[in-house]
Amino acid sequence: GAVVSQHPSRVICKSGTSVKIECRSLDFQATTMFWYRQFPKQSLMLMATSNEGSKATYEQGVEKDKFLINHASLTLSTLTVTSAHPEDSSFYICSADTGTSGGTDTQYFGPGTRLTVL
Amino acid sequence: SQQGEEDPQALSIQEGENATMNCSYKTSINNLQWYRQNSGRGLVHLILIRSNEREKHSGRLRVTLDTSKKSSSLLITASRAADTASYFCATVPYSGAGSYQLTFGKGTKLSVIP
Repeated sequence: GAVVSQHPSRVICKSGTSVKIECRSLDFQATTMFWYRQFPKQSLMLMATSNEGSKATYEQGVEKDKFLINHASLTLSTLTVTSAHPEDSSFYICSADTGTSGGTDTQYFGPGTRLTVL
Repeated sequence: SQQGEEDPQALSIQEGENATMNCSYKTSINNLQWYRQNSGRGLVHLILIRSNEREKHSGRLRVTLDTSKKSSSLLITASRAADTASYFCATVPYSGAGSYQLTFGKGTKLSVIP
C-alpha cells in the first residue's frame, strides 16, 4: 500500500515552454502533498506544501508564479514549471502524507521526474 | 536551511561489513526518519524513530537517536552490494499541530563492494 506515482518520469523541453508534472497517490487519499527539488549529488529541497482544495504554501525563495501547484483532488497534485529555462533542469520529487498521527508520520515518495530544459 | 547533516558524505565498504552513518540536526524534533535513494530514483522510507525513542530495529537496520546530542545513527549490518545507494536522514520539527515538513540532510553515499 501507500504507492505514489509521478508522470512523466523524464521530460525534455525547449526553453520557454511549460511542463506539467503529475503526482498521484494510487491507493490512499493524501490531504497533503509535498514537492521537492533535487540537484545532482545534492539533497532534497522542499519547494512547497500542497493541501487539497487550498493554495500551496511555498518555501522561501521559490517563485510561486514559476512553479504552479494545483492539488485538485485527494489523489492528485500537479506541478507546472512555467516558461522553463535551463536552470530549472532538475529532479523533481513529490511525496504524500497519509494523514495519520496528526500528519507527522511517514511520507511516501514518488519515483521522481527528471526535467531537462534545452 | 538544512537541518540534518550526515557524515560521512561517502562510505565504501566490502560486502559483509557493517556500515554506520551519522546524522546531526539543530532544532527540537518530533521524529527523525531515514530514507534510501538509488541513483536517479525516488526515496524509499526505511525507518522512523520518535523523539522519545532511543533505538529501533528493522531487519538489518538499527537506528539510534540521542536527543541530548541532537544526533542519530543508522547501522546496516552484514551489508550487501544491493545496499549501494544514498542514505538521507530527515527530521520533522517539534512545533505543534500541522508541522510535518521533512527537512533533509545532505546524504551519505554508500558503496558496497562485492
